[in-house]
Amino acid sequence: DTGVSQDPRHKITKRGQNVTFRCDPISEHNRLYWYRQTLGQGPEFLTYFQNEAQLEKSRLLSDRFSAERPKGSFSTLEIQRTEQGDSAMYLCASSLARGPREDTIYFGEGSWLTVV
Amino acid sequence: QKEVEQDPGPLSVPEGAIVSLNCTYSNSAFQYFMWYRQYSRKGPELLMYTYSSGNKEDGRFTAQVDKSSKYISLFIRDSQPSDSATYLCAMSTLLLGSARQLTFGSGTQLTVLP
Repeated sequence: DTGVSQDPRHKITKRGQNVTFRCDPISEHNRLYWYRQTLGQGPEFLTYFQNEAQLEKSRLLSDRFSAERPKGSFSTLEIQRTEQGDSAMYLCASSLARGPREDTIYFGEGSWLTVV
Repeated sequence: QKEVEQDPGPLSVPEGAIVSLNCTYSNSAFQYFMWYRQYSRKGPELLMYTYSSGNKEDGRFTAQVDKSSKYISLFIRDSQPSDSATYLCAMSTLLLGSARQLTFGSGTQLTVLP
């Protein structure tokens, strides 16, 4: 168990460029989540996958954002035409569905995005 | 008004002090209550979770939930400099497939002085 892995850890991009973040969940975890965290705030839910199916998307996830989880393993989060307001830490998390009271969510270290 | 309100701090205490961190919430649909610890520029780390009113103890940490008052607390006994971090309360509702959507407070920054 190596934990949730995210790549890259830091990304600086110019406004208007596209960026992609990758997340590798804990092995065998079937649930994968993306959250966004800005300075001084708690993480906010963006989207959730159970296996390869994207089951929920937040209203925060505009049309410029797309997430995929092919084959139910790793996931990617792509932001198109980045804006300065997209600057944040993007957190991936995963959990194993054993039951509603045994669904501990583990977070990765996050991917910091700075849009200049 | 946010669904989860957390005392922002910052909070600075001497080593060995008892620390009390608090959150209130407004959504009665919240079912599970968690505390995460987050070190600077790192991801949140789960400390404790509970789903019922009352106290839950784990070592130096005690989580307290009062559903009737919509109030949760985390107590840290014998605080150590290594406890210096941002503490986030989180509460969950259910998503499709019975997964949890976490709603976080804004975090309380704690510094324990040696």
